[in-house]
Amino acid sequence: SQTIHQWPATLVQPVGSPLSLECTVEGTSNPNLYWYRQAAGRGLQLLFYSVGIGQISSEVPQNLSASRPQDRQFILSSKKLLLSDSGFYLCAWSPGDRVSYEQYFGPGTRLTVT
Amino acid sequence: GDSVTQMEGPVTLSEEAFLTINCTYTATGYPSLFWYVQYPGEGLQLLLKATKADDKGSNKGFEATYRKETTSFHLEKGSVQVSDSAVYFCALAYTGTASKLTFGTGTRLQVTL
Repeated sequence: SQTIHQWPATLVQPVGSPLSLECTVEGTSNPNLYWYRQAAGRGLQLLFYSVGIGQISSEVPQNLSASRPQDRQFILSSKKLLLSDSGFYLCAWSPGDRVSYEQYFGPGTRLTVT
Repeated sequence: GDSVTQMEGPVTLSEEAFLTINCTYTATGYPSLFWYVQYPGEGLQLLLKATKADDKGSNKGFEATYRKETTSFHLEKGSVQVSDSAVYFCALAYTGTASKLTFGTGTRLQVTL
């Protein structure tokens, strides 16, 4: 069976510090991968998605970047965090080898920028 | 562009009450529709889905019918439990290289004894 991991689970960082959030998927190959952000009291916003190694699509301009160095690894980064980067970050995957509409979400990382 | 609109929350119900959470969508094509649930402190879980008009998705006593004529996908449950307390998200997606989901803002449900 497939599992998706995210770490860390919680993170408190000062404004201006760098960020690296990691997501890995087990039990599948060539998944589509996604990063979402859920700000307090708001819905989910798709930040990035990837259909393969090194292939990253950005949905919204922002202070963040994403990378996919390995097939089942997806990293969300920032060089300098802003207060507005606080939120709950969710990684998700969907099958890449067939048509599928479903996405499977990780447990999330709660980021507080102080 | 495509969008999903959900009723404002929070929704507070007594246990065993009937639940309806409204969801309407705007889409240029024929998307699939989903309900996801998020329990406190956790990620999202797929609750149910419908891939074409008039399909009914169901799971754990929850149901939703894809109504093309009213562009709606309302979530219903006949008798809610305290354990159903969570945030519910309506979403749509198209088939394609990557099934990008467009979410509504979520509706918080609080069920009390």
